[in-house]
Amino acid sequence: GQQLNQSPQSMFIQEGEDVSMNCTSSSIFNTWLWYKQDPGEGPVLLIALYKAGELTSNGRLTAQFGITRKDSFLNISASIPSDVGIYFCAGQKGSGAGSYQLTFGKGTKLSVIP
Amino acid sequence: DAGVTQSPTHLIKTRGQQVTLRCSPKSGHDTVSWYQQALGQGPQFIFQYYEEEERQRGNFPDRFSGHQFPNYSSELNVNALLLGDSALYLCASSLGWRSYGYTFGSGTRLTVV
Repeated sequence: GQQLNQSPQSMFIQEGEDVSMNCTSSSIFNTWLWYKQDPGEGPVLLIALYKAGELTSNGRLTAQFGITRKDSFLNISASIPSDVGIYFCAGQKGSGAGSYQLTFGKGTKLSVIP
Repeated sequence: DAGVTQSPTHLIKTRGQQVTLRCSPKSGHDTVSWYQQALGQGPQFIFQYYEEEERQRGNFPDRFSGHQFPNYSSELNVNALLLGDSALYLCASSLGWRSYGYTFGSGTRLTVV
């Protein structure tokens, strides 16, 4: 099945550093979502984006919905040890066949060095 | 307020067998979606149930089937298991089938040997 192109695959950063990851698609999505998954758990929604060009923040997290509706990025500022986990982007088309299913990226594994 | 509950948490089956996984949605939610997450991959959509009917289906063979009960809980059945069916199976619930607001369970880890 289709998966979004998410990069980087993994990253190691020092505590306190900022993090940036992005997601691209060959298809248009009308909603972009960012999830975090901890080991042994299901994904937890971090940020939802509904409008092209939208910039949304949730604490130290900021995400943007690309103008073309084919990409999104997530920034984490001043990383802390509990930011460790796998971050997934997901798109939802919102119209047409398969409208409301989520299409996920392969994830970015974040490791924070204290 | 209970979140999404899945059972069992872990399961080992032999190739060719059949398996049933269960999901209770978050309180107040009426729609259940199932996802398969292979190791190192993102979740892949299997299907979604709303009002006891399959509303959407991903690119999975007919060996994968499901059911939703009047209390909104759901089952995922997989027949004729293959080694490649080994994965984490995630259930997600939402209010309405057009929602983006999914709450995921912790999943069932299925190992096929």
